[in-house]
Amino acid sequence: NAGVTQTPKFRILKIGQSMTLQCTQDMNHNYMYWYRQDPGMGLKLIYYSVGAGITDKGEVPNGYNVSRSTTEDFPLRLELAAPSQTSVYFCASGSSGGGNEQFFGPGTRLTVL
Amino acid sequence: ILNVEQSPQSLHVQEGDSTNFTCSFPSSNFYALHWYRWETAKSPEALFVMTLNGDEKKKGRISATLNTKEGYSYLYIKGSQPEDSATYLCAFKEGYQKVTFGTGTKLQVIP
Repeated sequence: NAGVTQTPKFRILKIGQSMTLQCTQDMNHNYMYWYRQDPGMGLKLIYYSVGAGITDKGEVPNGYNVSRSTTEDFPLRLELAAPSQTSVYFCASGSSGGGNEQFFGPGTRLTVL
Repeated sequence: ILNVEQSPQSLHVQEGDSTNFTCSFPSSNFYALHWYRWETAKSPEALFVMTLNGDEKKKGRISATLNTKEGYSYLYIKGSQPEDSATYLCAFKEGYQKVTFGTGTKLQVIP
């Protein structure tokens, strides 16, 4: 099992550019999450999904979009990149049973200049 | 926005010392409390998933307790080792979907 994979690992964007952060999991988890990590601020939930075709906003969704067409994939889209979106982005997945711990991907470090 | 607080923010201990830190969370709508260990340049990894008031979990030298009625959980590390150096995150689950993370306690164990 590869677990949760994210691509790319690093990316530099110019203001106004768009990009998609890819996330794939091979554990057949229903739940998937996108977080951003800002220095000293911990992890903030951007969007989450409880299954294919179902997504919902987290704490900081503005400037982002997601889709969940398959169980495995949960891409995060930035439409008009802004310097405030400079962050490290983590994707995570979890099963739907019990307290369902989350399994995290390696992260994508994004810089918007 | 839920308030999940961790204290202290950072901690330096000598190798061999025991230590503990706190996670405070809302005492209503509790579903689960997670503890994660996050080493520098890596991803968070789950330590414990706690769902019942009074739960006590243990993994090696690390243990955790849970009090859902008063809204806190303690993480204990016995005989700290340099490899325990990491940020320890707690995450509060309200209902089965939403998760709110605390800002973490950064532990540095000095050899």
